[in-house]
Amino acid sequence: AQTVTQSQPEMSVQEAETVTLSCTYDTSESNYYLFWYKQPPSRQMILVIRQEAYKQQNATENRFSVNFQKAAKSFSLKISDSQLGDTAMYFCAFLMDSNYQLIWGAGTKLIIKP
Amino acid sequence: SQTIHQWPATLVQPVGSPLSLECTVEGTSNPNLYWYRQAAGRGLQLLFYSVGIGQISSEVPQNLSASRPQDRQFILSSKKLLLSDSGFYLCAWSGDFEANTIYFGEGSWLTVV
Repeated sequence: AQTVTQSQPEMSVQEAETVTLSCTYDTSESNYYLFWYKQPPSRQMILVIRQEAYKQQNATENRFSVNFQKAAKSFSLKISDSQLGDTAMYFCAFLMDSNYQLIWGAGTKLIIKP
Repeated sequence: SQTIHQWPATLVQPVGSPLSLECTVEGTSNPNLYWYRQAAGRGLQLLFYSVGIGQISSEVPQNLSASRPQDRQFILSSKKLLLSDSGFYLCAWSGDFEANTIYFGEGSWLTVV
């Protein structure tokens, strides 16, 4: 069975610093998708970034980038120049190519301090 | 562009009363539609998904049901709410745009009293 592990329950950094959130997963599948979602206090689940397993190039989206290590089954999220609005729960999620079931990590609460 | 709307945003319902949460997607056709629930401090649990009108798959046996009367409309219902139905409910969709990526609505807070 697929599992997703986020080992950092909570992190806090100063505004403008860079922060990296960790995510590891376990699967025997070769084709799948990985996501980072952000859930601010409003509770809406917002897609931050996605990565297709068959792509070797790490995805980037403005200040957000990932370090995807397929062999190590690691998918970390780096937030550069962090802003107060980045304060949120961040969830790592996994989706098999042939399935509709997103497998979620437990989440990391990120606090950006002014 | 594609958008998803979900309502009501908040509701408080007595035990034993019915429930109807509605979700619509705009800007796409034949989307996959999902209902998730999130208990306090926890991750998301998939309740139902639909790949087409009238096609509903249930992931978890429960007191809830889902229907898809139109291509871009997804409804979550209950005939008699239980206290354990309280939580945060999220509708979501995926489709041809960035296939295999799921996008979420604003969510609905349900408190059963």
